Amino acid sequence: QIQLVQSGPELKKPGESVKISCKASGYTFTDYAMNWVKQAPGNGLKWMGWINTQTGKPTYADDFKQRFVFSLETSASTAYLQINNLNIEDTATYFCTKWDYYSEGFDYWGQGVMVTVSS
Amino acid sequence: DVVMTQTPVSLSLAIGQPASISCKSSQSLLGTSGKTFLNWILQRPGQSPKRLIYQVSKLYSEVPDRFSGSGSETEFTLKISRVEAEDLGVYYCWQGTHFPFTFGSGTKLEIK
Repeated sequence: QIQLVQSGPELKKPGESVKISCKASGYTFTDYAMNWVKQAPGNGLKWMGWINTQTGKPTYADDFKQRFVFSLETSASTAYLQINNLNIEDTATYFCTKWDYYSEGFDYWGQGVMVTVSS
Repeated sequence: DVVMTQTPVSLSLAIGQPASISCKSSQSLLGTSGKTFLNWILQRPGQSPKRLIYQVSKLYSEVPDRFSGSGSETEFTLKISRVEAEDLGVYYCWQGTHFPFTFGSGTKLEIK
């Protein structure tokens, strides 16, 4: 069955970087784009962008163009989100979610990674 | 960006009662392909979101048929014909017609 398994929670200080992973299984990783979604505490969901898993080309929403990096390790069926120069407002849960070309929506979600930024 | 407005903010219903959630978009979600990319997801407490409905009214295969979606252009509705205990959580609409994709603020369904 299709699964997206993300890495564990992170506690970081302002100015540090974090790299979280999303390992896919149960399908051909390079056939479907991967998206990233942010959920700040007590808040709703915000789409961060997506990465083409065939070409590795990322596309970022405007609010995530500066310090955020999407990358891949296709041999390991894994997508990564790196956040540089962390600040308090980056404290959130980050989800990876698989794009489905049939429904043209997100069909599977990772369990989420809680990133806490605190001095 | 397209603003998605959901109402009500919360619902408290007994098992067996019907539920209705409204989602309005600040722009038409009818795409150039003729499809409308309005979707619904459910986030149960402590869990990641799960897919429910895509393109306004199409249920994913595992979703019970007590769920239904309707609407067009800028106004959409999610209905549950008879609420069950497993339906509790936060329902979000989201649009995939215009970049960036945007989500509603959520409707929390509580079971009385």
